[in-house]
Amino acid sequence: QKEVEQNSGPLSVPEGAIASLNCTYSDRGSQSFFWYRQYSGKSPELIMSIYSNGDKEDGRFTAQLNKASQYVSLLIRDSQPSDSATYLCAVNGPHTGGFKTIFGAGTRLFVKA
Amino acid sequence: GAVVSQHPSRVICKSGTSVKIECRSLDFQATTMFWYRQFPKQSLMLMATSNEGSKATYEQGVEKDKFLINHASLTLSTLTVTSAHPEDSSFYICSASPTQGLIYEQYFGPGTRLTVT
Repeated sequence: QKEVEQNSGPLSVPEGAIASLNCTYSDRGSQSFFWYRQYSGKSPELIMSIYSNGDKEDGRFTAQLNKASQYVSLLIRDSQPSDSATYLCAVNGPHTGGFKTIFGAGTRLFVKA
Repeated sequence: GAVVSQHPSRVICKSGTSVKIECRSLDFQATTMFWYRQFPKQSLMLMATSNEGSKATYEQGVEKDKFLINHASLTLSTLTVTSAHPEDSSFYICSASPTQGLIYEQYFGPGTRLTVT
């Protein structure tokens, strides 16, 4: 079982719609959760961090965390073609010798104009 | 804030030579820096974790004698690919975690595209 799972997509949404990206993780001890955006040929960019259950909003982005269900999601409202990218979920928790961040393989999002 | 630079952005080298890539945190101190490799259309692969002043921790399957990592200060880590071969051609990306504050956030450099001919 992969430690951090994401649907690889592609997820295709029309411009202006809400894009919903989902991620599940296997380690119940995980404490920190992140969403990164990676454009093709570029490096990842941190867009959201969430540490406690519930919702966290930042502009058009909302991260949702449910530790009981081991589930974290990212909602993008009013999706724009410029949001087309691969979105990586990352989870940090205790690991042998310290803490470790595990990245999911990413979900490709296409926003159609 | 939280800017990470990498140099060079692109490098082409001949098989058998060595290449050094620098990673710098420009506006924060980073106790921990990470080195990743990413092949086309594939996910990030963590190569090693480096802590300032100590030896790097390499992931399983990554040759520590081939990929030399030095984390000499709180703002600089280097990756040297020794005796490079065409199969080492890839996109190498570093990231850094701040020493203070939200220490598990990783901020990525722009990456270095290595081509070995």
